[in-house]
Amino acid sequence: QKEVEQNSGPLSVPEGAIASLNCTYSDRVSQSFFWYRQYSGKSPELIMSIYSNGDKEDGRFTAQLNKASQYVSLLIRDSQPSDSATYLCAVNNLNNAGNMLTFGGGTRLMVKP
Amino acid sequence: EADIYQTPRYLVIGTGKKITLECSQTMGHDKMYWYQQDPGMELHLIHYSYGVNSTEKGDLSSESTVSRIRTEHFPLTLESARPSHTSQYLCASSSRTGGGYTFGSGTRLTVV
Repeated sequence: QKEVEQNSGPLSVPEGAIASLNCTYSDRVSQSFFWYRQYSGKSPELIMSIYSNGDKEDGRFTAQLNKASQYVSLLIRDSQPSDSATYLCAVNNLNNAGNMLTFGGGTRLMVKP
Repeated sequence: EADIYQTPRYLVIGTGKKITLECSQTMGHDKMYWYQQDPGMELHLIHYSYGVNSTEKGDLSSESTVSRIRTEHFPLTLESARPSHTSQYLCASSSRTGGGYTFGSGTRLTVV
């Protein structure tokens, strides 16, 4: 079992809809969770971080964390074609020296006009 | 502006050549990382460093080497490039206290 799992997609949503991206992780002691957006051919860009259970909102983005279920999600409201990208979930792995991040394989999101 | 820089952005070289991919950051971050990523595929950690004179191999076996003589500089060297080294190489850094990584723009390497 991979340490951080994401559905590879593609997840296709119509413009204006809510896109829901999910991520599960295996290490119960993980404490920091991040969402990155990566456009094709570009490098990952940090868009959200979340450290405690519940929701965290930033503009059209909402990160949700449930440590009991080992589950973190990213909601994108009013999805735009410019949101079409691969979204990477990353989890702080305290079992690794130096608190390294473990990345999921990413979910490809396609927003159709 | 604090940032992380990678050069070159694109590189096409012949088999057997020695190359160095440059990565520098101006954020004062202690930790730096090199990832390899093929198009549409996941990130693979190939090297990391927790500070000056500290380097470690990552999860993906790589024929490259790295050095960390200065905090801000973390170059990656391939002694003899092969077509199998064709990929995108991403450099990242993070602070000592953790938090998310900041990635450079990447170097797209093609070995012919």
